[in-house]
Order: sequence, then structure tokens, then C-alpha cells
Amino acid sequence: QEQLVQSGAEVKTPGASVKVSCKASGFSFTSNYIHWVRQAPAQGLERMGLINPDTGSTTYDQKFQGRVAMTRDTSTSTLYMELSSLRSEDTAIYYCARAHCTSTSCYEGYYDLWGQGALVTVSS
Amino acid sequence: SYELTQPPSVSVSPGQTARITCSGDALPKKFAYWYQQKSGQAPMLVIYDDIKRPSGIPERFSGSSSGTVATLTISGAQVEDEAHYYCYSTDISGNHWVFGGGTQLTVL
Repeated sequence: QEQLVQSGAEVKTPGASVKVSCKASGFSFTSNYIHWVRQAPAQGLERMGLINPDTGSTTYDQKFQGRVAMTRDTSTSTLYMELSSLRSEDTAIYYCARAHCTSTSCYEGYYDLWGQGALVTVSS
Repeated sequence: SYELTQPPSVSVSPGQTARITCSGDALPKKFAYWYQQKSGQAPMLVIYDDIKRPSGIPERFSGSSSGTVATLTISGAQVEDEAHYYCYSTDISGNHWVFGGGTQLTVL
């Protein structure tokens, strides 16, 4: 079945970087944009950006510009999100989410498949 | 920066109608999307393009939009509908997507 399976929980110290993976299976890896969304503890949702797995092109939300890098490995159908210069406020669950596409169009706000989330804790 | 405003909480009895609003300046021009998130789970889309329901979502979930306010309506709310609900949309440029702050729906 269609799945996005993410890497496990990480604990990082302030100033470090973290790289979260998201492995796609059961569907065509290059057919749908993948977005990254995070959720701080007991807080709301926040989109970080997106990647086109076909071309590797990315769009990052302004808040994360210069600190985030989204990449992909087409040989393993895996997406990656790396966040650098971590601070305590980056403690959150990080989700990858697939944007829904029909035969004629794709929806930027419609996520039809989510990873299980990866908890990143930033603490000294 | 662009903001979508939701009430922090809504409470109804089982079988009643729950309405959750989302206010944003660009909503007259941009679609709203609604996500349901139950405790410990990833979000799940319940409404897209203001009014459309994905396959598998019960008919009691509906959406509407008028002016700067989008509304998620759950007609005949059930205990299993207890969750946080988030609206999601973009600013007028289409480049800055944001979630609302979320609404905790209590059904009891």
C-alpha cells in the first residue's frame, strides 16, 4: 500500500543539524510534490516548504530560508529534510506529506498521505 | 505575515451541529482546506476547496465560505469527531501557506 515512512526520533544539542528521512513506497515517487510540516509540542501545524521529487526543485517558506534543505534520492525513493542551527524552539514532530494530484491538476493545500512523524528534540 | 484565526475551542453534545470558523483576509480569493487531527496521529484532510469532501469522509462533514470566513460544519457530531481541527490556506500571493491556530472540538 501507499506509505511514507519516516526516520526515528532524534535528540540534538543547540546549534547542531538534523536530517529527517521520508521513504515513499507503493506509488510513483516522482508524481507528487512532497511537503514538510512541523508541529511543536501541544502547538499547531507549520509548513516548512516543499520539494518536487522529479526535478529536485524546492520552495522554502520564508521563516526557514537559509536554515533548511530538502533533497531527494530517486534511487531509494527517499526524501530528506535537513534543518541546521537548531534551537530549542525547533523541538517538534516533523511530518512529510504528499500533495494530492489528479490526472489534470495538483493541489498545494491537499495532503492525502502523511508520514508517521519524526520527533526532534533540541536540548542542551 | 498572513494569519488565519480560529476559535480555540468548540463544545457540543452528541448529535448537535458543530461549526468551526476560520477568518483570513485572502479567503474571498483563496480556497480553505480543513484538517482533523486526533491525539497522537497525523492530520487528515476532511474538506478541500472550501466545500469538497475527500472520498471516505462522512457526509456529516461539510464546508462553506463567505467573504473572509470559511466554516467547517459537522452535522450530528459524534464522540469520535473529538479532535483538533485546523484550517489551511494561502495569502493573496499564493506563496505563503499557513495553518490556523487550531480548534479543539469537544463532543460530550
